[in-house]
Amino acid sequence: GENVEQHPSTLSVQEGDSAVIKCTYSDSASNYFPWYKQELGKRPQLIIDIRSNVGEKKDQRIAVTLNKTAKHFSLHITETQPEDSAVYFCAAFTGGGNKLTFGTGTQLKVEL
Amino acid sequence: NAGVTQTPKFQVLKTGQSMTLQCAQDMNHEYMSWYRQDPGMGLRLIHYSVGAGITDQGEVPNGYNVSRSTTEDFPLRLLSAAPSQTSVYFCASSAASGGAADTQYFGPGTRLTVL
Repeated sequence: GENVEQHPSTLSVQEGDSAVIKCTYSDSASNYFPWYKQELGKRPQLIIDIRSNVGEKKDQRIAVTLNKTAKHFSLHITETQPEDSAVYFCAAFTGGGNKLTFGTGTQLKVEL
Repeated sequence: NAGVTQTPKFQVLKTGQSMTLQCAQDMNHEYMSWYRQDPGMGLRLIHYSVGAGITDQGEVPNGYNVSRSTTEDFPLRLLSAAPSQTSVYFCASSAASGGAADTQYFGPGTRLTVL
């Protein structure tokens, strides 16, 4: 089955700096890659996603890049703010298996 | 729309007891799924369903049963609770069908403790 690895597990940045979280996946059939943000005690919420036919997608301060050849995808957050502090999860969806596999999460802390 | 709802929010069980976690969605989504979330392990898929009458196993199905008699509801049953099932359980739904992915919307979660 699919295996998704996520790094780093914790990330601390100064307000205004950029943050990058990286994920790798194992199944070349995976075709959809969402990113979720989870605040403490809350449900995961989608912040951005990318499909396998696209290399990059941007939404204001958030961008995701996908390298299908290397099976890598990354989340980029620019001009970080304290409210960006949360746990971020990457995931990969394998259509043939109808399954969404999550990474183990990155605790992002934005310090003033 | 209420989106995805789950009940109860909190539950404490004794080892060996059984219970059902309820999940419902009002978005007419075909795809529904159950995850458990444990510290440091992300979200792991327990069972999923691609439509009424169709269910399949995820990554960690042992000790859990599901059924999907309607599009709206997808209950998760713990047959004989064990301390290893202490976790936060999330239900999710999406419009995904035929192997084409779509956004998964999560319910608020159920925090389960097994003593």
